[in-house]
Amino acid sequence: NAGVTQTPKFRVLKTGQSMTLLCAQDMNHEYMYWYRQDPGMGLRLIHYSVGEGTTAKGEVPDGYNVSRLKKQNFLLGLESAAPSQTSVYFCANSLEDMNTEAFFGQGTRLTVV
Amino acid sequence: KQEVTQIPAALSVPEGENLVLNCSFTDSAIYNLQWFRQDPGKGLTSLLLIQSSQREQTSGRLNASLDKSSGRSTLYIAASQPGDSATYLCAVMGSARQLTFGSGTQLTVLP
Repeated sequence: NAGVTQTPKFRVLKTGQSMTLLCAQDMNHEYMYWYRQDPGMGLRLIHYSVGEGTTAKGEVPDGYNVSRLKKQNFLLGLESAAPSQTSVYFCANSLEDMNTEAFFGQGTRLTVV
Repeated sequence: KQEVTQIPAALSVPEGENLVLNCSFTDSAIYNLQWFRQDPGKGLTSLLLIQSSQREQTSGRLNASLDKSSGRSTLYIAASQPGDSATYLCAVMGSARQLTFGSGTQLTVLP
């Protein structure tokens, strides 16, 4: 039982390149989230989804797109990477958003040069 | 906009001490508050979740309290051990249906 799995774990991109981060869950949870973590700024929500086929913007959505075509997968895309997107990205899920705990993946460390 | 503050940013204690980590939030209209642990280079592990109607939760040597009206939570760790060394994060779930995180307290327990 893997829980929440993120792929890849590390990546280096050149400015302007694109990439997709994959988050896969085997927990059958409805809600999924993408956060970025930067030193001194805590975790900030990029986008989230409340179910298959739905997405919504979080606190820092600019420069990112997401898709939730299947319940078990939540994809985060960077169309044209910028150095400001250098960060550690975390995916999380929860059974329902208000009264259950969130479960996190191990993170993707992305460097944009 | 909800803001979450954790004090202190870093804490170093000798093994065996009892300690308290603090978390404060600006908007008391929350659904729950969660405490997480993060080890270096790792993801977040949920420690305790306190629903807005609850005052405290306990798990082993950990006890978390919530005072929603004053916008405060504390995480009490009893008889600290070197294995407790990690960063502890608190987060609140508010009306925007989003978890808002503090910047964390980095705890070091010295053998």
